Amino acid sequence: SQQGEEDPQALSIQEGENATMNCSYKTSINNLQWYRQNSGRGLVHLILIRSNEREKHSGRLRVTLDTSKKSSSLLITASRAADTASYFCATDVKGGADGLTFGKGTHLIIQP
Amino acid sequence: NAGVTQTPKFQVLKTGQSMTLQCAQDMNHNSMYWYRQDPGMGLRLIYYSASEGTTDKGEVPNGYNVSRLNKREFSLRLESAAPSQTSVYFCASSEGRTGIYGYTFGSGTRLTVV
Repeated sequence: SQQGEEDPQALSIQEGENATMNCSYKTSINNLQWYRQNSGRGLVHLILIRSNEREKHSGRLRVTLDTSKKSSSLLITASRAADTASYFCATDVKGGADGLTFGKGTHLIIQP
Repeated sequence: NAGVTQTPKFQVLKTGQSMTLQCAQDMNHNSMYWYRQDPGMGLRLIYYSASEGTTDKGEVPNGYNVSRLNKREFSLRLESAAPSQTSVYFCASSEGRTGIYGYTFGSGTRLTVV
């Protein structure tokens, strides 16, 4: 079963705009991670946020975590055409077996 | 280049045939994983190995076997391929359980079973 669910499933914006993707999960976590996947390629780790953290930044990326709502958001500022990709959240479930549990992803298209 | 290497990149099998997907990492990571990715399903964990000499089932292990040959290599075997195993397979590794740097993924093996 899917632990994380991204919203929206697809998002199309103009270059230069900000893109926001959301992830909801069901059970308590140790950390939550975001990955990017370009078409036909493997996943690339973007950022990890621990359960005791509320916000984290990395370059143009900003991730928030609300453990009370079991949700996270990924904000990409000043989007570029190269940001076109699918974005996945993944959770490390507290007390769970090894292995991250991935959501189904948000497909982001940046229009030039 | 440091990272995770998967072979082959593409494979077509007939129903009932067997094959082994190879994965090797050169980052000295303890943990390795096999996932499958299907359209609309995200990634699902097949098997994982927390350390050399250990393997455990993930969410969808039926029809697969794995071998952690040494610290670098983790192979996935399909003994009798079925059309339902048509998918893209990804190998990943991490430093520790999830690692402070997350997972490093290979580029995937696209498998079609006809």
